[in-house]
Amino acid sequence: QVQLQESGPGLVKPSQTLSLTCTVSGDSISRDSFYWSWMRQPAGKGLEWIGRVYTSGSVKIHPSLNSRVTISWDTSKNQFSLKLTSVTAADTAVYFCARGTPYTGSYYFESWGQGTLVTVSS
Amino acid sequence: EIVLTQSPGTLSLSPGEGATLSCRASQTVDTSFLMWYHQKPGQAPRLLIYGASNRAAGIPDRFSGSGSGTDFTLTISRLEPGDCGVYHCQQDVGSSLIFGGGTKVEIK
Repeated sequence: QVQLQESGPGLVKPSQTLSLTCTVSGDSISRDSFYWSWMRQPAGKGLEWIGRVYTSGSVKIHPSLNSRVTISWDTSKNQFSLKLTSVTAADTAVYFCARGTPYTGSYYFESWGQGTLVTVSS
Repeated sequence: EIVLTQSPGTLSLSPGEGATLSCRASQTVDTSFLMWYHQKPGQAPRLLIYGASNRAAGIPDRFSGSGSGTDFTLTISRLEPGDCGVYHCQQDVGSSLIFGGGTKVEIK
């Protein structure tokens, strides 16, 4: 069974870069058809999709975050990563990584990391 | 961009009762693209329903999804204490992925 685990600093200063890594076990991130995604959830609010990387290596980012987000992957470490630049307090949230499983033209998230809280504060 | 609106915002029900949660899309959605998740406090969401009406592995038949077009429903029968939390609908059309605002279910 696939397992995902987020890691990275829990505190980031305003204007700096938030960097998180998702380590995958029980599956290869380069296995065909799936994708690997990042979501976030501010306290007491709903989920927001950040972006995803496909096994082809192509990346899609939420349009509102496109200028600040980089998603990459390291198949040798079976990890994928998120970088969010120029952070503000509005980026404070629990960040989740998840695997997208294909279903007739769409995808669903059956496997998630436990989430990691990132606070933006000086 | 499609918007998913969930209602009601909060449901407060007793064990054994049934719950009906709504997810309304601002544009027609392919049923294959509509998913439901359950999130307990402090936990990651858990997939309940994919393709609008298919139960995920291990999900009891007390949970059922239905709907088409712009209106989708998650029905929970015989509520149990462990059903408390927030229920999210989600749509993924490839170019974007959107979650609804969530419905909080409280068990009295």
